[in-house]
Amino acid sequence: DTGVSQNPRHKITKRGQNVTFRCDPISEHNRLYWYRQTLGQGPEFLTYFQNEAQLEKSRLLSDRFSAERPKGSFSTLEIQRTEQGDSAMYLCASRRGGQDTQYFGPGTRLTVL
Amino acid sequence: GQNIDQPTEMTATEGAIVQINCTYQTSGFNGLFWYQQHAGEAPTFLSYNVLDGLEEKGRFSSFLSRSKGYSYLLLKELQMKDSASYLCAPMDSNYQLIWGAGTKLIIKP
Repeated sequence: DTGVSQNPRHKITKRGQNVTFRCDPISEHNRLYWYRQTLGQGPEFLTYFQNEAQLEKSRLLSDRFSAERPKGSFSTLEIQRTEQGDSAMYLCASRRGGQDTQYFGPGTRLTVL
Repeated sequence: GQNIDQPTEMTATEGAIVQINCTYQTSGFNGLFWYQQHAGEAPTFLSYNVLDGLEEKGRFSSFLSRSKGYSYLLLKELQMKDSASYLCAPMDSNYQLIWGAGTKLIIKP
């Protein structure tokens, strides 16, 4: 257990539905990352927060995806109008500043039927 | 551009030694991380190198050559539980990790 938690751990939804995932980082970590990972691939960067500010968002990310970190603590990732191609593991990671290590939560596995 | 190159898959025998190579190109460099990822689980941190040379941590060692854009992870006394994917992730000038597809390591008895 790294201290980063994610909920839910698994989510099955029907195409077209909206889903929201939550990440609680390690408390003293002000940097928070969201990634997506599919089988046989490495983590694909989605977005990055420093405190409550969203500093970077992947250019490949559809506008159906939105993320927030309202008080600089936990974060949520919402996917609207889900598609089958959204099926993946969604990973959250957190770290302190500089060259500090990123620690991952257990992930949320999304299946879109 | 930014690029990571690792073998897709490697096979080794229990009790043996295996070396997983990684070459990289990044915009700036702030060190290189190795992560282990078991199937269906999240990546877990193994090692971090920022200076050239070898860092040893128990059965695992990691080497870095910044001038060559090269790193390797050395696993000794392999155990069945070492069957996993190993991800090489250099950190660029913005302190962002660059991820490749990783190397799937299969350990046979």
